Amino acid sequence: DTAVSQTPKYLVTQMGNDKSIKCEQNLGHDTMYWYKQDSKKFLKIMFSYNNKELIINETVPNRFSPKSPDKAHLNLHINSLELGDSAVYFCASSYRVGTGGSTDTQYFGPGTRLTVL
Amino acid sequence: DQQVKQNSPSLSVQEGRISILNCDYTNSMFDYFLWYKKYPAEGPTFLISISSIKDKNEDGRFTVFLNKSAKHLSLHIVPSQPGDSAVYFCAASGRTASKLTFGTGTRLQVTL
Repeated sequence: DTAVSQTPKYLVTQMGNDKSIKCEQNLGHDTMYWYKQDSKKFLKIMFSYNNKELIINETVPNRFSPKSPDKAHLNLHINSLELGDSAVYFCASSYRVGTGGSTDTQYFGPGTRLTVL
Repeated sequence: DQQVKQNSPSLSVQEGRISILNCDYTNSMFDYFLWYKKYPAEGPTFLISISSIKDKNEDGRFTVFLNKSAKHLSLHIVPSQPGDSAVYFCAASGRTASKLTFGTGTRLQVTL
């Protein structure tokens, strides 16, 4: 059973298009995250949702809009794609956030490699 | 401002020897630390963690050491195996952090 799954795994698209990446977790976690891994391989948090409520928004352009229909799903929609959006996007989940303990342990999906041409 | 640093981008170790991966942090509010392992084209996989109330946590071949006064942690893998070849990320969180902050990773290569 896949704990955190993402679709699609690869996404190639033209500049200016709008695209979505979907994420689902079956771990019963309350908190979900989106990370971006750039060309320098640095993992940086973009958003976090706790029970469908946005709790972290790390100065990400407005073109990026997360949507959480329920606590098991967190989708990422990107408008007007730019060349600089090319990266690997990882979804993750954890029981809680900000407790400073083991419930902060995050479990990651396999990633979505987005290429903007 | 890089609050979690892994100053060695790569490390090569012979099979059977000890691998030591290092991580330094600057934020004194961090009180929970994790190591993740990442293979190419896969997501990071949780490996081991340690709370700030401990200075050592062991799980099989993996041991994490925490030196709070030096704001330093290390991951020891012994004995190293070829399957351990991957990128290792150090991460930290705290009650006020509300998120994990990751280091830039160290690529470990275990050679035969």
